[in-house]
Amino acid sequence: TQLLEQSPQFLSIQEGENLTVYCNSSSVFSSLQWYRQEPGEGPVLLVTVVTGGEVKKLKRLTFQFGDARKDSSLHITAAQPGDTGLYLCAGEGGGSNYKLTFGKGTLLTVNP
Amino acid sequence: NAGVTQTPKFQVLKTGQSMTLQCAQDMNHEYMSWYRQDPGMGLRLIHYSVGAGITDQGEVPNGYNVSRSTTEDFPLRLLSAAPSQTSVYFCASSYTPQGPQHFGDGTRLSIL
Repeated sequence: TQLLEQSPQFLSIQEGENLTVYCNSSSVFSSLQWYRQEPGEGPVLLVTVVTGGEVKKLKRLTFQFGDARKDSSLHITAAQPGDTGLYLCAGEGGGSNYKLTFGKGTLLTVNP
Repeated sequence: NAGVTQTPKFQVLKTGQSMTLQCAQDMNHEYMSWYRQDPGMGLRLIHYSVGAGITDQGEVPNGYNVSRSTTEDFPLRLLSAAPSQTSVYFCASSYTPQGPQHFGDGTRLSIL
């Protein structure tokens, strides 16, 4: 079973702080997707990274795909309360061709 | 554009009862899937479908049935509800099994 390990599991910070969350695996993935899930809603796609070493920016969010395509990180600059939610990574490939492999997520709380 | 619509949003059942969770999408996606989300367990795939008339089991299929008579609809049936099936259920759709997923807002199911 291919696994995606996300860390930390929980993160509580103050508004304005920077943070990084991680998505790691021993398997190689063709691409990685990042989703954000707000309370009471379904996950919403933020970005897909495809190429090893790729960096994508979405406003204050920076996503990086590892050179070996086994890991990814999400960095948030100057976090805001609206960033609160569950951040999920999901891998394409990794030995499965009928579903994405989801990590268990990082639950981020940004306090005002 | 409605996207993925799930009904009902909340449901309470008694042990042994049966019910159907509805899922409809208006994006002409071939791939549809059902997940359950439990604390500490992440998203677990129950059943999926790669097109009308085709369904297959995911990681945790026991106690659930699905059918796919049209491209738009993918209902999930609980045959005889058990307390272990208390969870939040998400339906998702996409063009391909490992492409970006569009999730509904979930059905929160409690079984007493």
